[in-house]
Amino acid sequence: EAGVAQSPRYKIIEKRQSVAFWCNPISGHATLYWYQQILGQGPKLLIQFQNNGVVDDSQLPKDRFSAERLKGVDSTLKIQPAKLEDSAVYLCASSPQRGTDTQYFGPGTRLTVL
Amino acid sequence: SQQGEEDPQALSIQEGENATMNCSYKTSINNLQWYRQNSGRGLVHLILIRSNEREKHSGRLRVTLDTSKKSSSLLITASRAADTASYFCATVLPDSWGKLQFGAGTQVVVTP
Repeated sequence: EAGVAQSPRYKIIEKRQSVAFWCNPISGHATLYWYQQILGQGPKLLIQFQNNGVVDDSQLPKDRFSAERLKGVDSTLKIQPAKLEDSAVYLCASSPQRGTDTQYFGPGTRLTVL
Repeated sequence: SQQGEEDPQALSIQEGENATMNCSYKTSINNLQWYRQNSGRGLVHLILIRSNEREKHSGRLRVTLDTSKKSSSLLITASRAADTASYFCATVLPDSWGKLQFGAGTQVVVTP
């Protein structure tokens, strides 16, 4: 079974530029999560989708971050415009259904904002 | 503030020794999970313990949960160099759609 795929693996941009990350969850997984992990910290949930609907985006900075999950499968996370403090690893995870206990993580995208 | 706090922040041991790390949390939980993260990689689920359980085992891993003290511990027995990684506890609160709240992690280094 293929795991969670993410691209790109690394991205370097300048502040005020835009960037987008892509995630392809494990086939058949209904729930998809985006986490932000700042160096030295644990991951923090940004947004959670159930199929193509948002169930939790309470910690998403909505003035600059946006996310969508088309047709309940792939998802993109966008930052526009980026700030220095957005430098982090962005992790995507999926699980079979709502509230299922185990989450399966992708390798992450490391973003550096200069 | 984060729900879970791991202790110690860093741990250095020799191969064959046991490694113990602790996690404390603040509010009632549905379950508590432990994840491992190798450098530059995603997180891997290790073990889950529910609020009505006190101890679970998986291979060389042993997890305990004390809900009265709001704490959990992860024990890795007979450690190997391949166990070098960061270990995170994550709590799931009741009625939270399975949302994980992570601590800052314990960085474990196992030297041959």
